[in-house]
Amino acid sequence: QITLKESGPTLVKPTQTLTLTCTFSGFSLSTSGVGVAWIRQPPGKALEWLTLIYWNDDKRYSPSLKSRLTITKDTSKNQVVLTMTNMDPVDTATYYCARTRWLQAAFDYWGQGTLVTVSS
Amino acid sequence: DIVMTQTPLSSPVTLGQPASISCRSSQSLVHSDGNTYLSWLQQRPGQPPRLLIYKISNRFSGVPDRFSGSGAGTDFTLKISRVEAEDVGVYYCMQATQFPRTFGQGTRLEIK
Repeated sequence: QITLKESGPTLVKPTQTLTLTCTFSGFSLSTSGVGVAWIRQPPGKALEWLTLIYWNDDKRYSPSLKSRLTITKDTSKNQVVLTMTNMDPVDTATYYCARTRWLQAAFDYWGQGTLVTVSS
Repeated sequence: DIVMTQTPLSSPVTLGQPASISCRSSQSLVHSDGNTYLSWLQQRPGQPPRLLIYKISNRFSGVPDRFSGSGAGTDFTLKISRVEAEDVGVYYCMQATQFPRTFGQGTRLEIK
């Protein structure tokens, strides 16, 4: 059974740095072709892809947010960590992590998401 | 970036009747490897997205066969043969041919 779960603060202040952790089970990020992505969704709005890390440590970022994002993995802990700097109220959203596989290139398993509110 | 445009944005449907959602991309989604990485996701109220279809027409594990996908190049369609109450939610198309990955704006399926 494949599961993913996001964890981190629910409230951050403007200009602060957000750190979210995705802890997963049922698959390994050392398996060829596997990746984990972060996707966010502002309240009532559409999905927005942020970043993705592959089993071989290849990392991809949204060009519009690249300067603020960092994605890392800890294969031994089955975790992927997202760091987003200089948070702003417009970054208020539910943040999801999701798995992908090279051959499908779709996000086949998702976490439940975590709502992050940016407010002073 | 590839822009994904869905129509309609809202679709009222009678239970038991078919429904169809269109998705158009701003450029061809055919990858250099010959595959077309277009997927469809369903998001029920209060739930995370769920993968329905990948690579245009492949149903993901556990997805009922009333869901089907078709299309090629820049034009794609998700069809539900007979809408059930549990199908209410927002449907998104997504392209994974290029980075950044991009989603459509979503189509809300509701029951009349």
